[in-house]
Amino acid sequence: QSALTQPASVSGSPGQSITISCTGTSSDVGGYNYVSWYQQHPGKAPKLMIYEVSNRPSGLSNRFSGSKSGNTASLTISGLRAEDEADYYCSSYTNTYTPSYVFGTGTKVTVL
Amino acid sequence: EVQLVESGGGVIQPGGSLRLSCAASGFTFDDYAMHWVRQAPGKGLEWVSLISGDGGSTYYADSVKGRFTISRDNSKNSLYLQMSSLRTDDTALYYCAKGSMDTVDFWGQGTLVTVSS
Repeated sequence: QSALTQPASVSGSPGQSITISCTGTSSDVGGYNYVSWYQQHPGKAPKLMIYEVSNRPSGLSNRFSGSKSGNTASLTISGLRAEDEADYYCSSYTNTYTPSYVFGTGTKVTVL
Repeated sequence: EVQLVESGGGVIQPGGSLRLSCAASGFTFDDYAMHWVRQAPGKGLEWVSLISGDGGSTYYADSVKGRFTISRDNSKNSLYLQMSSLRTDDTALYYCAKGSMDTVDFWGQGTLVTVSS
């Protein structure tokens, strides 16, 4: 159950697009279409942004999009806004021996 | 409106036990799997445990297996985490979360567990 690998930080100017990567293995990210992304503002609970690789929960801005290629998933935030500054975590279902769940190491997004 | 309210956190000595509770409302509780996820101070998220909607299947992270027990009472819309043999590295904010067997889709605000002598 090793954590998925994310860049520690990503930054961009307002209006720009940024992409956060999430690298796992064939036992988690590459093996299932159950990758999710979460946004966490300081002192707040995480919030689901993307589920099943590329699906957005109802009502969520279409500025957030997800994709996957092989063992790496990605979250793209387009039209970057000040309120997007937060920590972002990916996660994946895994079932090497029994069902479990693994999170990414987290990425701090800074809006310049 | 979906709500998850955790309780039961506190300061406990190493080797001690603690039981966390999570009161759920705003959705049909037994239709959903439930998770516990923790976050050590200043650190990332760590999945802890998962229980199926009917309570018949439970799963644990290697780091807590044999020490923590997840359970639920669907008649009370409540989720529990019994923690024993606590260690200093169990210190964290513990979140109750709703979802499925393969996704977490809503989180409570968390309850803080501090393991310290």
